[in-house]
Amino acid sequence: QQQVKQSPQSLIVQKGGISIINCAYENTAFDYFPWYQQFPGKGPALLIAIRPDVSEKKEGRFTISFNKSAKQFSLHIMDSQPGDSATYFCAAGGYNQGGKLIFGQGTELSVKP
Amino acid sequence: GAVVSQHPSRVICKSGTSVKIECRSLDFQATTMFWYRQFPKQSLMLMATSNEGSKATYEQGVEKDKFLINHASLTLSTLTVTSAHPEDSSFYICSASPGGNFYGYTFGSGTRLTVV
Repeated sequence: QQQVKQSPQSLIVQKGGISIINCAYENTAFDYFPWYQQFPGKGPALLIAIRPDVSEKKEGRFTISFNKSAKQFSLHIMDSQPGDSATYFCAAGGYNQGGKLIFGQGTELSVKP
Repeated sequence: GAVVSQHPSRVICKSGTSVKIECRSLDFQATTMFWYRQFPKQSLMLMATSNEGSKATYEQGVEKDKFLINHASLTLSTLTVTSAHPEDSSFYICSASPGGNFYGYTFGSGTRLTVV
C-alpha cells in the first residue's frame, strides 16, 4: 500500500516536444505529491508539487495533473529541452507520513536536439 | 530558500572502517531530517528518520547498529556507516524541512560512498 509506481522507465523526446511521466499510488492517506529532478551525482531537486485538493498545477513549462479518484498523477514537460535530460522521480507523502516520502522508480528522460 | 548541505560529497574508505557523513540545514532549524540511500540507476529508499534530541527511527531492514544516526542540534544530523563493506557503497542523501513542514523537504547534494 506504500508503493508508488512510475512509468515509463525511460523516455526519449525530441526538442520542443512534450514529455509525459505517469505515477500511481495506493495509499489514500498521501496528501503531498512532489516531482523531483535529479542529475547524475547530485541530490534530487524539487520541480513542482501538488496537494490533492487541486487537479492541476502549472509552473512554467512543468505541469502536474492529478486524478484523485484514479489515484494517479502525471508530470508534463512542455517544449522539452536538452537541458531537461535527467532522471525524474515522483513521490508521495505528507502529514500522515510525518514528512517521509515514498519515491517512484524513476524515469530517465533524454531530450534529443 | 531552504538549503541543505552535505559533507563530504565523495568518500572512499577501506573495508572495515567507519565513515561519518554530515547533513546541515544552513538557513533554518530542522527538528527532523531524513536519510535516504540510492544505488546506481535505482530510486531513493528511506533509511531512517533523524529526530533532534532523540533516537532515530529506522525503516524495516536497515541495521541500526551499522548506520548510526546522531541529531545533536537543530541544524546538524550525522550518519556514521560503521565497519563499512563494499555492499555499503552507495549514494547517501539527506533531507530536511523548515519548521518540520511536511510539505516542503529540501534534499542535500548527496554523498557518494565507495568502500574498497
